[in-house]
Amino acid sequence: DGGITQSPKYLFRKEGQNVTLSCEQNLNHDAMYWYRQDPGQGLRLIYYSQIVNDFQKGDIAEGYSVSREKKESFPLTVTSAQKNPTAFYLCASRRGAEDTQYFGPGTRLTVL
Amino acid sequence: KQEVTQIPAALSVPEGENLVLNCSFTDSAIYNLQWFRQDPGKGLTSLLLIQSSQREQTSGRLNASLDKSSGRSTLYIAASQPGDSATYLCAVRGHTGGTSYGKLTFGQGTILTVHP
Repeated sequence: DGGITQSPKYLFRKEGQNVTLSCEQNLNHDAMYWYRQDPGQGLRLIYYSQIVNDFQKGDIAEGYSVSREKKESFPLTVTSAQKNPTAFYLCASRRGAEDTQYFGPGTRLTVL
Repeated sequence: KQEVTQIPAALSVPEGENLVLNCSFTDSAIYNLQWFRQDPGKGLTSLLLIQSSQREQTSGRLNASLDKSSGRSTLYIAASQPGDSATYLCAVRGHTGGTSYGKLTFGQGTILTVHP
């Protein structure tokens, strides 16, 4: 059963803490993406990776970091430098020659 | 900078009605346009993808049109059902100087409610 998984589904963080959101895909896709969604808004791109060991900043990368050590994994770390991290985070992947992005179920992060 | 706007922000219709959702974008130099569906608290599901050279795409009761020159797309839903209730998002992929990372710019979505 191929797809994209994200964990955890809900995450609570105290101010000043770093947290890491997991994204795994078994679709053999080259490209992976992280988006942030706030209420009533569209998705905004945080980071993306076209290939293993390479990643690029998106539109709102400040306060976030990523790694791409394996093709199937693209974890996102929300650092304490991110001033307003409470949001819904979505991971997506895309095969190199295919246009459609496939999305995971999302992680809702709440800062207490 | 590409901007995508969706109108209306919310729409409530009785079951069986035909409806149209609108999407506009500011930069007509797009690679393609996609319509997604999002259920509450869930990820996105791709509904239709229209390449820049195409005028429309159809899937079942859904029909999406693209007028690139005017920067507009519509999603037509025929004979709406309560199960169609969701948020519908429009996203455009632009030409980005030869890169192929597939960046999408999203609209803010239209929240659709179909009541029995």
